[in-house]
Amino acid sequence: DGGITQSPKYLFRKEGQNVTLSCEQNLNHDAMYWYRQDPGQGLRLIYYSQIVNDFQKGDIAEGYSVSREKKESFPLTVTSAQKNPTAFYLCASTSERNTIYFGEGSWLTVV
Amino acid sequence: DAKTTQPPSMDCAEGRAANLPCNHSTISGNEYVYWYRQIHSQGPQYIIHGLKNNETNEMASLIITEDRKSSTLILPHATLRDTAVYYCIVSAPRSSYTGTASKLTFGTGTRLQVTL
Repeated sequence: DGGITQSPKYLFRKEGQNVTLSCEQNLNHDAMYWYRQDPGQGLRLIYYSQIVNDFQKGDIAEGYSVSREKKESFPLTVTSAQKNPTAFYLCASTSERNTIYFGEGSWLTVV
Repeated sequence: DAKTTQPPSMDCAEGRAANLPCNHSTISGNEYVYWYRQIHSQGPQYIIHGLKNNETNEMASLIITEDRKSSTLILPHATLRDTAVYYCIVSAPRSSYTGTASKLTFGTGTRLQVTL
């Protein structure tokens, strides 16, 4: 079945460490997105990519980095510059009609 | 992408219709209205979308005003399993000419609580 796979589901990070969240899709979608969600809050856009080797900053890109070397993959790195990284992270991709497909999310906790 | 405004929360009795409003007064002519819902700690789920005509599927109905500045999502017979946060977003389809994808900005949504 086609879909979006995020891993890991749960991740713990020590302060000062970089961590990378994986997002893989087999839907043949060009556009992919990363969102952050804090408890009781809506989704905030971190980065998005329209096509391979291209990506744009969203509303809260500081402290994050991405790459888009392959159409299927859009990993998100949470760097040590992100001062409050504990959150729920969602990866998404869109069909040409803009229907959004989401992964199941990754929980990141700073310990 | 146009901005949307939704009430932060709503209650609905089980078995009754839930009507969730959304304002999108700055919507452009080529932007669609999409509705998603999110149950706690899961990825949001697609519900329905439309451009200007009313739409219905097995989950819900979407009513878009004639001026397209607002819309209402209707869950005809709400159940406890419909308790979730509902998001309304507007965006244009990916341009086949420029290849440009929409930014897809979500608001804070409406928390619908269905009660017995």
